[in-house]
Amino acid sequence: QVTLKESGPALVKPTQTLTLTCTVSGFSLSSSGMRLSWVRQPPGKALEWLARIDWDGEKFYSTTLKTRVSISRDTSKNQVVLTMTNMDPVDTATYYCARISRRGVEFDNWGQGTLVTVSS
Amino acid sequence: DIQMTQSPSTLSASVGDRVTITCRASQSISDWLAWYQQKPGKAPKLLISKASTLESGVPSRFSGSGSGTEFTLTISSLQPDDFATYYCQQYNSNRYIFGQGTKLEIK
Repeated sequence: QVTLKESGPALVKPTQTLTLTCTVSGFSLSSSGMRLSWVRQPPGKALEWLARIDWDGEKFYSTTLKTRVSISRDTSKNQVVLTMTNMDPVDTATYYCARISRRGVEFDNWGQGTLVTVSS
Repeated sequence: DIQMTQSPSTLSASVGDRVTITCRASQSISDWLAWYQQKPGKAPKLLISKASTLESGVPSRFSGSGSGTEFTLTISSLQPDDFATYYCQQYNSNRYIFGQGTKLEIK
């Protein structure tokens, strides 16, 4: 059974750096064709893709956030980590970890999401 | 980046109605389009991939069509469980863009 679970702080202060961890089970991050992404959703707003990391370690980022976002992985722990610098109240959102299909096009499994509030 | 325009933003309908949601891409994305259903407090659920391929377990009243720049999601006969928010999502050059969402409400 494929599962993804996000963890990290529920509250961060403006200008701080956010670090979120996605722990997966039921598949291997290093399996050929495996791709993991982070997607966020501000309250009442649309989904926004942030970053992707592939089975071979290749990384891709949102054009608008690439200067602030970093994605990495620890295959021994089956974890993917998102780092976002210089957090602002507009970054308040539910952050989801999602697996991308073998085709590489759509998100076929999602974590439950974790709400991060940015406030002083 | 390619822009996605999803319409309408809100749709009021009744059980049994046939409804259609549209997504338009600012340039051709072939059939690299997916549709998701999201209920309050829950993660999105993949309904349709590659514009028209129904995911396993998704009721057959859902269907997708289109290619190039214009795509539609149709629900043939609305059921109470279908009232939710729907998002389209496109893929192009290792980037992913979601539409703005359509909230399907009970009339």
